[in-house]
Amino acid sequence: EPEVTQTPSHQVTQMGQEVILRCVPISNHLYFYWYRQILGQKVEFLVSFYNNEISEKSEIFDDQFSVERPDGSNFTLKIRSTKLEDSAMYFCASSVGARGGANVLTFGAGSRLTVL
Amino acid sequence: EDKVVQSPLSLVVHEGDTVTLNCSYEVTNFRSLLWYKQEKKAPTFLFMLTSSGIEKKSGRLSSILDKKELFSILNITATQTGDSAIYLCAVGGATNKLIFGTGTLLAVQP
Repeated sequence: EPEVTQTPSHQVTQMGQEVILRCVPISNHLYFYWYRQILGQKVEFLVSFYNNEISEKSEIFDDQFSVERPDGSNFTLKIRSTKLEDSAMYFCASSVGARGGANVLTFGAGSRLTVL
Repeated sequence: EDKVVQSPLSLVVHEGDTVTLNCSYEVTNFRSLLWYKQEKKAPTFLFMLTSSGIEKKSGRLSSILDKKELFSILNITATQTGDSAIYLCAVGGATNKLIFGTGTLLAVQP
């Protein structure tokens, strides 16, 4: 069964360092997403991406965050200068289409980011 | 503000029991409600509901949506230890994003 793959599975970084989390969405999917889950809290939407541009972003997704699809397969989330509160599990997801909210997202296994 | 509320927050049952998990929502321009199962890491898809009163079923799991009362339930019959997980409810509105509830932690004891 097709799956969304994420790397690394766990990254430890120092506060202020840049981090890039990588994702390979399912090949025929057109919409890509990043969510995060702080330990013990809800899964929160960060950003959605379609046709090589951001289609929606949350208040969490400030200037420290950026996304990119550098080639035909990878989808990356960059955090420019990490803060302690960025420590979380980051999930990449993809979907075939949007249909205005009636679409199934397939999630990757997540990248756990620990900021010291 | 859009929100999704799940109850109970956690539940401990014994194998063979039947459980009902609840999800209520307030979302602008509701389009769909999804249930996911989260075991170790990735949430895995269970059901998507878009219409009221139509039960979705997969083995021992079933779910139904009430768009008038703005809630959904997820039923698991004859629970097994492998059903132990966090069950997430998420709602899709006018845009692509899903809004998640806090989840229900289900522990099934042998």
